[in-house]
Parts: sequence; C-alpha cells; structure tokens
Amino acid sequence: GENVEQHPSTLSVQEGDSAVIKCTYSDSASNYFPWYKQELGKRPQLIIDIRSNVGEKKDQRIAVTLNKTAKHFSLHITETQPEDSAVYFCAASVHNNNDMRFGAGTRLTVKP
Amino acid sequence: EAQVTQNPRYLITVTGKKLTVTCSQNMNHEYMSWYRQDPGLGLRQIYYSMNVEVTDKGDVPEGYKVSRKEKRNFPLILESPSPNQTSLYFCASSFSSGTYEQYFGPGTRLTVT
Repeated sequence: GENVEQHPSTLSVQEGDSAVIKCTYSDSASNYFPWYKQELGKRPQLIIDIRSNVGEKKDQRIAVTLNKTAKHFSLHITETQPEDSAVYFCAASVHNNNDMRFGAGTRLTVKP
Repeated sequence: EAQVTQNPRYLITVTGKKLTVTCSQNMNHEYMSWYRQDPGLGLRQIYYSMNVEVTDKGDVPEGYKVSRKEKRNFPLILESPSPNQTSLYFCASSFSSGTYEQYFGPGTRLTVT
C-alpha cells in the first residue's frame, strides 16, 4: 500500500520568510496529492491540491510542486504570517482505490 | 449551511462497553471516511465508503465497524473498545471519491479507560 513520509516534523520561521515542507510517497500509481492545514483545536481543511498531470500549482502565497519521477511533492508558503502557524498534512490518494494516506504532519510556527 | 457533523464531541468510556460515533453530512456526498489522529502519526484512515452499502477498509480497520445504510450517515462502531483506541476521530466526506477535497467534521475525542 501507499506510504507517505513528511519532513520536517517541526518548522519555525520568522514572519515574512518562506517555509517549505516536503513529502515522499511510495506508490507510483498515486495521482492526487492534497495539503491540509489544521489549526489548534480545529478540523483539517484543504489549502491546495495537485494532480499527477501537472508539476506545479499556485494559489496566492501557497504553491505545491510535484516530481513524479522522484515521487516527492512539496508545499511552499511565501511571505509567512503568524496566522500561517498550524499543523500541515500532506496526503496521497490513488484513483479508483480511494485510499487516502496522510503524512505525520509538520507543525509550522511563524514568529512575529 | 454545508457541513459534516459528528456526535458526541467528547466521550469517556470503559473497556469493553460498545459505543457508536455518528457522522452526518448534508452535501449529498457519495464518499465518506473515518480517520483517527494520534500525536506523531498524523491522520490514519479507518474505513471509507464510496456509496450506500459500499464500505472498504482503510489503513487501520481493526477493532472498528462501519455501516452506510443512508447516503448522509456513516456511523463508526466500536464493539469492544480498548485503551489503544483512545484517540481523536474525524469523519470526512467528499464529492465522489478520495481524489476530491474532503470536508472534515469537528472531531470526536474518545478516551477509553
């Protein structure tokens, strides 16, 4: 089955700096890669996703890149703000399989 | 308001006492799923359902049961809870499969003593 590894487990940056979180997956058939943000005491919410037919996707300060050959994908947050502080989860899902595998999470702290 | 609801939100129980956590969505979603969240392990999928009467095991199904008799409801059943099932549980739903945005419920914090 699919295995998703996420690094780093914790990340601390200064406000205005960039943050990068990386994930690797094991199943080459995986074709959908979402990122979820979970604020303290709240439910996870989707912030961006990418499918295997594209290499990069951007939404304002957030971008995700996918390298299918190396089987890794990354979340990039630019111009970080204190409200970006949260736990971020990557995940991988195989179409027609419908299994969703999440990474262990990255706790991002943005210091003002 | 489009939402996923779970009940109860908090539950403390004893080993072996059967319990059910309910999950309901009002978005007419076909796909529903249960996850447990434990520190350092992220979200692990317990069971998912593609539609009414169609359920499949996720990554950690042992000790859990589910049913999908109606499209909007997807209850999680613990027939004989054990302390290692102490966790934060999330129900989620999405449009038609696991390859679309999942909308999560507010979570149920379960403690088994």
